[in-house]
Amino acid sequence: EIVLTQSPATLSLSPGERATLSCGASQSVSSSYLAWYQQKPGLAPRLLIYDASSRATGIPDRFSGSGSGTDFTLTISRLEPEDFAVYYCQQYGSSPYTFGQGTKLEIK
Amino acid sequence: QVTLRESGPALVKPTQTLTLTCTFSGFSLSTSGMCVSWIRQPPGKALEWLALIDWDDDKYYSTSLKTRLTISKDTSKNQVVLTMTNMDPVDTATYYCARTLYGGNSALGYWGQGTLVTVSS
Repeated sequence: EIVLTQSPATLSLSPGERATLSCGASQSVSSSYLAWYQQKPGLAPRLLIYDASSRATGIPDRFSGSGSGTDFTLTISRLEPEDFAVYYCQQYGSSPYTFGQGTKLEIK
Repeated sequence: QVTLRESGPALVKPTQTLTLTCTFSGFSLSTSGMCVSWIRQPPGKALEWLALIDWDDDKYYSTSLKTRLTISKDTSKNQVVLTMTNMDPVDTATYYCARTLYGGNSALGYWGQGTLVTVSS
């Protein structure tokens, strides 16, 4: 089973700043089958990035994903007030399709 | 458009079996490549992937929960059913169903709103 470790657990930044979130895998993720989701309180997660670097439909281009193998990154180039939320990575290259424990992005 | 909706009991007692239904529209689970997963989230905690069923009736389960889970589909009703046996208070969570974005190995592009299940006597 692939274990995903996200860091940091909490990231405190101000609007307009750049955010860098990391997701490390315990073994290589097949074909870069890694996704990033955003979740706001009381709502279902929303897909942001799939296949490590492809933006889902309607996602602003300030969100970008990169990485391969065991190290992946979600970057938000310039934070907007609506970006403060919890972010999860998930691998879907091999079952079970595990999630990371999440990074909470909070306003500083 | 693609929609999914979870339904089931809001409250179950310890040791009981939970049955959740995901009713969907906008796609057919008999279409090659289509997959539906179940995911849960205890209050204030992280997402946990539970199970997946694909168009070909292949099934995949969480390692830690596979002895307690069964996933099935009824293509004619556009439904996916998850059963979880021997429920415990630690299973209290919001349970989501979700469909892959595209066929085969794919991220979860479409989510239901979730249903909160509380396990308590």
